[in-house]
Amino acid sequence: QVQLRESGPGLVRPSGTLSLTCTVSGGSISGLTWWGWIRQPPGKGLEWVGFIYYTGSTNYNPSLKSRVTMSVDTSKNLFSLKLSSVTALDTAVYYCARSQRMIYEDHWGQGTLVTVFS
Amino acid sequence: QSALSQPASVSGSPGQSITISCTGTSGDVGFYNYVSWYQQHPGKAPQLIIYDDINRPSGISNRFSGSKSGNTASLTISRLQAEDEADYYCSSYTSTNSVLFGGGTKLTVL
Repeated sequence: QVQLRESGPGLVRPSGTLSLTCTVSGGSISGLTWWGWIRQPPGKGLEWVGFIYYTGSTNYNPSLKSRVTMSVDTSKNLFSLKLSSVTALDTAVYYCARSQRMIYEDHWGQGTLVTVFS
Repeated sequence: QSALSQPASVSGSPGQSITISCTGTSGDVGFYNYVSWYQQHPGKAPQLIIYDDINRPSGISNRFSGSKSGNTASLTISRLQAEDEADYYCSSYTSTNSVLFGGGTKLTVL
C-alpha cells in the first residue's frame, strides 16, 4: 500500500520560499504515475498546485506557475515543492498525492499546515 | 480559470438519498470523462470516491455513484448513513491540461 508523508517547516516569512518534501513508501516513485501537490487554505476548498513525473516533467497551476518549482529524487523516493515570494494567501494545509494520469488522486498524505507570518 | 460550482451545503436523513451537483464548462467537465469526487472528513485528507465520472475505487461503497450530463456532473449518495457527513469536492481535468476543483459541499446527515 503506497503511503505519502509531507515534511517541512510549518512557518515561513512573507516574501520567503516555502519548501516541502513528500516521501513515498510502499511503492516506487518511478512507476507510471504522476505525483502532485494540492493545498487547502484554512476553512476553504482544495486548490491544485502542480504535478511531477519521475522523469522530471512538470505541470503547474497557471495561477502559481511563476512561483512554483517541483523536483523529484528517485534515489530517495521523494519529490519536493518550492513556492517563492509567499504571502499570507499561501497559508494552507499542503497535501502531496499520487495522481493517475493527472486526472485523479488515489493516495494522499496526511497534510501539513504551512503558515506565512511576520 | 474559475472553480467548478457546487452547492455550499446539502442535507438528508439517514436512509434517504442526496445528490450533489458540480457545474463547469465545455472546457472542463464537459470536455472529457474525467470528473472525480473526494470525501473529506474534518481534519483528514481527502479520499477518492469516484473517478472518470462514474467509476468507484476498490473498497468504496456502492452507495456512492457518479453521473454526468453535459457540463454538470453529479454525485449521489443513497441510503445515507451518519458516517457520510463530510465535505465533498468534485474535480475535473481540463482541455488546457489543468485541474480544477469545486468549492466543496458540506453534507449534513440530520
